[in-house]
Amino acid sequence: SQQGEEDPQALSIQEGENATMNCSYKTSINNLQWYRQNSGRGLVHLILIRSNEREKHSGRLRVTLDTSKKSSSLLITASRAADTASYFCATDGSGNTGKLIFGQGTTLQVKP
Amino acid sequence: EAGVTQSPTHLIKTRGQQATLRCSPISGHTSVYWYQQALGLGLQFLLWYDEGEERNRGNFPPRFSGRQFPNYSSELNVNALELEDSALYLCASSFIWGAGYTFGSGTRLTVV
Repeated sequence: SQQGEEDPQALSIQEGENATMNCSYKTSINNLQWYRQNSGRGLVHLILIRSNEREKHSGRLRVTLDTSKKSSSLLITASRAADTASYFCATDGSGNTGKLIFGQGTTLQVKP
Repeated sequence: EAGVTQSPTHLIKTRGQQATLRCSPISGHTSVYWYQQALGLGLQFLLWYDEGEERNRGNFPPRFSGRQFPNYSSELNVNALELEDSALYLCASSFIWGAGYTFGSGTRLTVV
């Protein structure tokens, strides 16, 4: 089964508002990553946070990681219509397996 | 820098036939990963190739196979196609395990 579970499954906001997506996972990790997917195309890597980090920023993105709760959140500030996409968290589990386990994703719609 | 390229973009096959999907990683990336994104099943790890060797495979039957060539490009073969093999197949590459992946735009395989 998928290790990552995301919440909410769908989110609709107005341009300029902030969007928050949450991800939970089940086992120990080395790192957690967030990806964006536009309309069934390839995934775009957004940000990677290591297990010993608690918060990371990249432009309008802010990611937090709470390993005690096995959860992460992605905050997109001042959203734009171009942010409309599906967002996935992915964890690497432990060990060098080459395998990322993806959550089911959050579909974000930003209305102009 | 060219991204990860996948070909073909779309592929329509008849049940029972074989499909071959191709992937060229980013120059300098030695690891190639294959994922299947089927409707309702999310992103599932298929295969990991590194330095020409298969390092790990996901929970897929043996009719899913592949290889990595000396130039690090990769091929995914799906034999005896079944209707449920219809999905978006994504290839990704990375320089090392533990870094973010760069994904291609995918091959959409339709089995009729």
